Amino acid sequence: DVKVTQSSRYLVKRTGEKVFLECVQDMDHENMFWYRQDPGLGLRLIYFSYDVKMKEKGDIPEGYSVSREKKERFSLILESASTNQTSMYLCASSSMVGFLNQPQHFGDGTRLSIL
Amino acid sequence: AQSVTQPDIHITVSEGASLELRCNYSYGATPYLFWYVQSPGQGLQLLLKYFSGDTLVQGIKGFEAEFKRSQSSFNLRKPSVHWSDAAEYFCAAGSGGGADGLTFGKGTHLIIQP
Repeated sequence: DVKVTQSSRYLVKRTGEKVFLECVQDMDHENMFWYRQDPGLGLRLIYFSYDVKMKEKGDIPEGYSVSREKKERFSLILESASTNQTSMYLCASSSMVGFLNQPQHFGDGTRLSIL
Repeated sequence: AQSVTQPDIHITVSEGASLELRCNYSYGATPYLFWYVQSPGQGLQLLLKYFSGDTLVQGIKGFEAEFKRSQSSFNLRKPSVHWSDAAEYFCAAGSGGGADGLTFGKGTHLIIQP
């Protein structure tokens, strides 16, 4: 089974802090994604990555950056945390089999509170 | 703009009754379509996917979904629900299978009555 592991289930930080959310997948997947989930809004894509050192902006990248130095690890960075970034953050990964892109697999999420 | 609509925010169903959750999409071309389920405090688990071919797809946990191009719909069904099916259900669409970011609906919260 694919395992996507997010380093923290719950995290509390203060406004203005630099926050790192870590995600690791164990299946050598090429693609990795960060979403945030808010009640009534569903999931929204923040950033994604096709390969090491590659990154693409999603729908709501403002206030965030990402890092992918190794294939299995994809980090989400809140440069200066603000209260409106309090949310559930979900990491996902996917692969390609032949020429067909496979569905995304999700981690259990990190519930981040910014005080 | 690409969008996925789940018209029902909440649905209440009696245990043992049948279930249908609605999903409509708006995309330039036929997208790849997915249904995910999320139990409280958990991540999303893939129930089923439609990439091409047979428009009726079978998934895990006894779920199925039918792709209807004429209605731009991908509704999820289950003939008999169990209390353990209570969860949040998300419909999602993407143009690159799982290789690009997915567009999610806002979710349908399923409540099971005893």
